Amino acid sequence: AQSVSQHNHHVILSEAASLELGCNYSYGGTVNLFWYVQYPGQHLQLLLKYFSGDPLVKGIKGFEAEFIKSKFSFNLRKPSVQWSDTAEYFCAVNALYSGAGSYQLTFGKGTKLSVIP
Amino acid sequence: EAGVTQFPSHSVIEKGQTVTLRCDPISGHDNLYWYRRVMGKEIKFLLHFVKESKQDESGMPNNRFLAERTGGTYSTLKVQPAELEDSGVYFCASSHGDNQPQHFGDGTRLSIL
Repeated sequence: AQSVSQHNHHVILSEAASLELGCNYSYGGTVNLFWYVQYPGQHLQLLLKYFSGDPLVKGIKGFEAEFIKSKFSFNLRKPSVQWSDTAEYFCAVNALYSGAGSYQLTFGKGTKLSVIP
Repeated sequence: EAGVTQFPSHSVIEKGQTVTLRCDPISGHDNLYWYRRVMGKEIKFLLHFVKESKQDESGMPNNRFLAERTGGTYSTLKVQPAELEDSGVYFCASSHGDNQPQHFGDGTRLSIL
């Protein structure tokens, strides 16, 4: 079974600092990759996704992520964070062509980001 | 468009009781998923419906959990009887196609006393 590792449980940054959240997955086949964000009191929202093509993916609110197949990684980045980015961030994977379970998402444990004004 | 709706937002019941959670997917979405997050752990897949059929129920923890999607619209997840370890947040998600991004509801926080 596939697994997803998010390296940081809680990250605290000052506004304008750069952000990089690590994500590694274990499945060796074809994958779709996602980052979801959950702002306080809100539902999970899709931040960005990678299905195929350019491995550098741009999402909403200035976020981007880079898929590095050789490293099984999909790290999330933002050059300058804002207080409003305070949220919990989840990396997720689905393992295509793995039978009936191809479309279930496997999530990492999440990273809480606190941005200090 | 209206998002995925889950009801109730919070349920507190005693061990041994029955609880039914409901999910209304985005209109027109054939694919509906249930996930659960137990405190301190990752969000875990429970099952996947395509219309009214169970496509994948590999994540259902045991036979105390029963999911239905009669008519291929809304879905219910019943826990009977509830145990302490069932506490957590239950998320529902839907997607138009099976290889499309999933849209999540707010979740139902289930507390078993």
